Amino acid sequence: DGGITQSPKYLFRKEGQNVTLSCEQNLNHDAMYWYRQDPGQGLRLIYYSQIVNDFQKGDIAEGYSVSREKKESFPLTVTSAQKNPTAFYLCASSIGGAGYNEQFFGPGTRLTVL
Amino acid sequence: AQKITQTQPGMFVQEKEAVTLDCTYDTSDPSYGLFWYKQPSSGEMIFLIYQGSYDQQNATEGRYSLNFQKARKSANLVISASQLGDSAMYFCAFKPAGNMLTFGGGTRLMVKP
Repeated sequence: DGGITQSPKYLFRKEGQNVTLSCEQNLNHDAMYWYRQDPGQGLRLIYYSQIVNDFQKGDIAEGYSVSREKKESFPLTVTSAQKNPTAFYLCASSIGGAGYNEQFFGPGTRLTVL
Repeated sequence: AQKITQTQPGMFVQEKEAVTLDCTYDTSDPSYGLFWYKQPSSGEMIFLIYQGSYDQQNATEGRYSLNFQKARKSANLVISASQLGDSAMYFCAFKPAGNMLTFGGGTRLMVKP
């Protein structure tokens, strides 16, 4: 079955620690995205990648970093510089290009900073 | 800057009835796409329906239809024959040409038996 997987589903971290969220897709999509969702709110774009070895900052990139070494994988690192990292993180992918292709989402990772 | 607004934080609908969820957007771009997503309590975002700015007809997908009024810059989602499983958060999203997707704040729909 084609789809997007995110791991872990729940993640707890202590203040001051970096943590990496995994995102893998087997849809052969070129574009991948990371969003953050706070309770009762919509999604905000953190980073996106249109192609392997290239990525761009979204609206709220400060305190986060990404890599795109493989087409299938787009891990997100939440660094200690992120002031309020507790949130729900969603990864998505799409065919990419200039068209209006829908994005497909993973199940999300809920990060809690203790 | 592009802006997308969902003015209804929460809505109730009786099972088997139709419901309309509002979405308005603000843009000067002539070319754009509009999307609706459903987010159940599990958290995953499920794509429902898409409308292009140049599409002549309103989009439909099963029980979902989009009431697209370009001059008023609105793209309301209509769900017919509501089911208990329709209870979820619903997000409208806007994508201008060459730009990224922007999400509205969402509407929580609750279907009453």
